[in-house]
Amino acid sequence: AQTVTQSQPEMSVQEAETVTLSCTYDTSESDYYLFWYKQPPSRQMILVIRQEAYKQQNATENRFSVNFQKAAKSFSLKISDSQLGDAAMYFCAYRSALDSNYQLIWGAGTKLIIKP
Amino acid sequence: DGGITQSPKYLFRKEGQNVTLSCEQNLNHDAMYWYRQDPGQGLRLIYYSQIVNDFQKGDIAEGYSVSREKKESFPLTVTSAQKNPTAFYLCASSTGVGLYNEQFFGPGTRLTVL
Repeated sequence: AQTVTQSQPEMSVQEAETVTLSCTYDTSESDYYLFWYKQPPSRQMILVIRQEAYKQQNATENRFSVNFQKAAKSFSLKISDSQLGDAAMYFCAYRSALDSNYQLIWGAGTKLIIKP
Repeated sequence: DGGITQSPKYLFRKEGQNVTLSCEQNLNHDAMYWYRQDPGQGLRLIYYSQIVNDFQKGDIAEGYSVSREKKESFPLTVTSAQKNPTAFYLCASSTGVGLYNEQFFGPGTRLTVL
């Protein structure tokens, strides 16, 4: 079974600086999607960015980018120019192409604190 | 505004009672999902539905039941058989269950058993 591990329960960064959140996953499959979701204090889950496994180019969305290392099974999220509104729980998630239910497998989350 | 609504925001239940959590979406999405979130853990799938009048169990379906009589609605009932129901419950929807479909989430319901 696939697993997703976020080894950093909590991270903090100074406003305007860059922070990287780690995510590793375990799978024997070659076709899958990876996601980063953000859950702010309102608890509304919001998609930040996603990566297709067969695309070597790292996904970017404005200040958010990923470092996807398929061989290492690593999918880290980099947040540049951190803003106070980035403070939230960040969850990494995996979706297999072989699972007919296409379930999302979630990491335990990383709490990101932004210091003003 | 298109989106997903969940009600109530907070719900208190006495032991032995069944309670129903509401989830409504006006995004015209075919697929809907229920997740449970506990502190320090990721989301766990309870039930999901790809079309009206059809639904499948997720990883932790025991003690829960759902219905999907309308495309817009996917209520979750937490029964007295659920041993530890205190948690945060999230409803989501997507255009389909396929690999490329993003899930959109509601604001959640916090259930507390007294």
